Amino acid sequence: EPEVTQTPSHQVTQMGQEVILRCVPISNHLYFYWYRQILGQKVEFLVSFYNNEISEKSEIFDDQFSVERPDGSNFTLKIRSTKLEDSAMYFCASSDPEKNSPLHFGNGTRLTVT
Amino acid sequence: GNSVTQMEGPVTLSEEAFLTINCTYTATGYPSLFWYVQYPGEGLQLLLKATKADDKGSNKGFEATYRKETTSFHLEKGSVQVSDSAVYFCALRNSGYSTLTFGKGTMLLVSP
Repeated sequence: EPEVTQTPSHQVTQMGQEVILRCVPISNHLYFYWYRQILGQKVEFLVSFYNNEISEKSEIFDDQFSVERPDGSNFTLKIRSTKLEDSAMYFCASSDPEKNSPLHFGNGTRLTVT
Repeated sequence: GNSVTQMEGPVTLSEEAFLTINCTYTATGYPSLFWYVQYPGEGLQLLLKATKADDKGSNKGFEATYRKETTSFHLEKGSVQVSDSAVYFCALRNSGYSTLTFGKGTMLLVSP
């Protein structure tokens, strides 16, 4: 069964550095998402992306964050000037354009900011 | 706005016990409802879904019925196994919108 893949599985960075989290969505899917889960807390929506542009974003997704689909397969989340509180598990997801279709999630990237 | 409320965990059960994890929601319109499961060290996997009132989603022995009158989508399983130990997330998605709103998750621990 096709799956969403994320790399790296664990990223450690120093405060103030920039990180790029990478995702390869399922190939025939057209909607892409990033969510995050701070340890012990709920899964929070960050941003959705469709047709090469952001379709929706949450209050969390401020100017520190950006997303890009640099080619036909990758979908990236860039976090600039990382803060300690950015430490979390970041999940990428994709879905096909059918109404009510479920989101398919990757295994996540654990970001640790020191 | 949309919100999902799940019962607090952890839920601890012995193998073969009956499981219920409560989930209620608040949403505008007629959302689709989902249960996702997160096994230790893994990502979120879709467990089951229901897209309209009175639909029953089922998978791997788990069931949940979309109850519009009580705005609930409780997860049940008749006989849990140790391998069911995981965190279970209830979620909703509004018709015409693309995002999922998750509950806080309920950890299930099943002992032999």
